[in-house]
Amino acid sequence: GAVVSQHPSRVICKSGTSVKIECRSLDFQATTMFWYRQFPKQSLMLMATSNEGSKATYEQGVEKDKFLINHASLTLSTLTVTSAHPEDSSFYICSARDPGQGKTQYFGPGTRLLVL
Amino acid sequence: AQSVTQLGSHVSVSEGALVLLRCNYSSSVPPYLFWYVQYPNQGLQLLLKYTTGATLVKGINGFEAEFKKSETSFHLTKPSAHMSDAAEYFCAVSHTGGGNKLTFGTGTQLKVEL
Repeated sequence: GAVVSQHPSRVICKSGTSVKIECRSLDFQATTMFWYRQFPKQSLMLMATSNEGSKATYEQGVEKDKFLINHASLTLSTLTVTSAHPEDSSFYICSARDPGQGKTQYFGPGTRLLVL
Repeated sequence: AQSVTQLGSHVSVSEGALVLLRCNYSSSVPPYLFWYVQYPNQGLQLLLKYTTGATLVKGINGFEAEFKKSETSFHLTKPSAHMSDAAEYFCAVSHTGGGNKLTFGTGTQLKVEL
């Protein structure tokens, strides 16, 4: 299947700082990428849909000023957690939709964020 | 609106035994259905998907699932469990016009015992 990468895989930061997470589709161009958050032993919760060249669409309850999403190219979307706090600590996973594979989303390996 | 219910948050089987993970969905339009597997501290890997056509779909690692519209189910099976199958399994649904958004079930942790 298609390959999606994320960087970094793990990050520890101090409260109040901002953290940027990158999501790349390595072997296809993705006009649409998705960002999810997963708490321990729970399912994935969709945070936002990232559309290349336009503003992201956020799910209800997700603060768009807190979680900044940029999809500047067909292979890269970034999620910036601004002024991170301990409650933002979580596992963040991105996915990308391969247009050549219809409705299938391919997932990145995830980023573990720990805010101290 | 769409939703997914996975019965059994934990399933334990013996190595070599049949694996059956249950998934029921709710969708007001024809659904697209997916099974993903997640190993610890990793992202999700697609096991198989149903979009249209044949209702019995085969995936990787010997898994298969059958779409049963009358039962609104998409259960995942594997004839013979292997130790390496121990992981978290997620069923998900999306549909045309839904912006390809996936709605996930709560997951089933599969344990394989000797």
